[in-house]
Amino acid sequence: AQTVTQSQPEMSVQEAETVTLSCTYDTSESDYYLFWYKQPPSRQMILVIRQEAYKQQNATENRFSVNFQKAAKSFSLKISDSQLGDAAMYFCAYRSAISAGNQFYFGTGTSLTVIP
Amino acid sequence: GAVVSQHPSWVICKSGTSVKIECRSLDFQATTMFWYRQFPKQSLMLMATSNEGSKATYEQGVEKDKFLINHASLTLSTLTVTSAHPEDSSFYICSARRVPTSYEQYFGPGTRLTVT
Repeated sequence: AQTVTQSQPEMSVQEAETVTLSCTYDTSESDYYLFWYKQPPSRQMILVIRQEAYKQQNATENRFSVNFQKAAKSFSLKISDSQLGDAAMYFCAYRSAISAGNQFYFGTGTSLTVIP
Repeated sequence: GAVVSQHPSWVICKSGTSVKIECRSLDFQATTMFWYRQFPKQSLMLMATSNEGSKATYEQGVEKDKFLINHASLTLSTLTVTSAHPEDSSFYICSARRVPTSYEQYFGPGTRLTVT
């Protein structure tokens, strides 16, 4: 089974600064999707950004961008100009594009604190 | 957008009783729904995958007789926790997928179950 590792249980960032959250994964597949989800205190899972493995270009969504290193199996999330509303748990997730079932595999999460 | 609702959002039940949690896709038809369990400050653990009109597929270690899943229609899946015990207290999240090949999952807001 695929595994997703987030090595930073907690991170903090000053408001308006930039922070990078790390994620690595293990897979033998060549075609897959990677996601970053945000879970604020409300517990609602919110999709932040996704990356298709076949695309070399890193995905960006406004202040959120990823550094996707396929060979290294690394998928980090960069949050620029951090805002108080960015404080949340962030989960990295993997989904196969080819195997049946296509379930998501989640990392253990990184709790992000934004300091005013 | 694609909205998924869960009902109830919070439930308290006595040990030995059963409780049903509903997951609805409000503005789309969900061919597949997923049920997750999340303990405090932990990641989401997939419990089972349900496809409309067929039996759910449970993950290893999940008791299918204790966690009954019914995906009776393309917009509704239910999770029934039978003979609940305090250790079943957790946060339960459902998600839905439009079509089998879609990479996207839409998450419900979750249900907090407390068994006394």
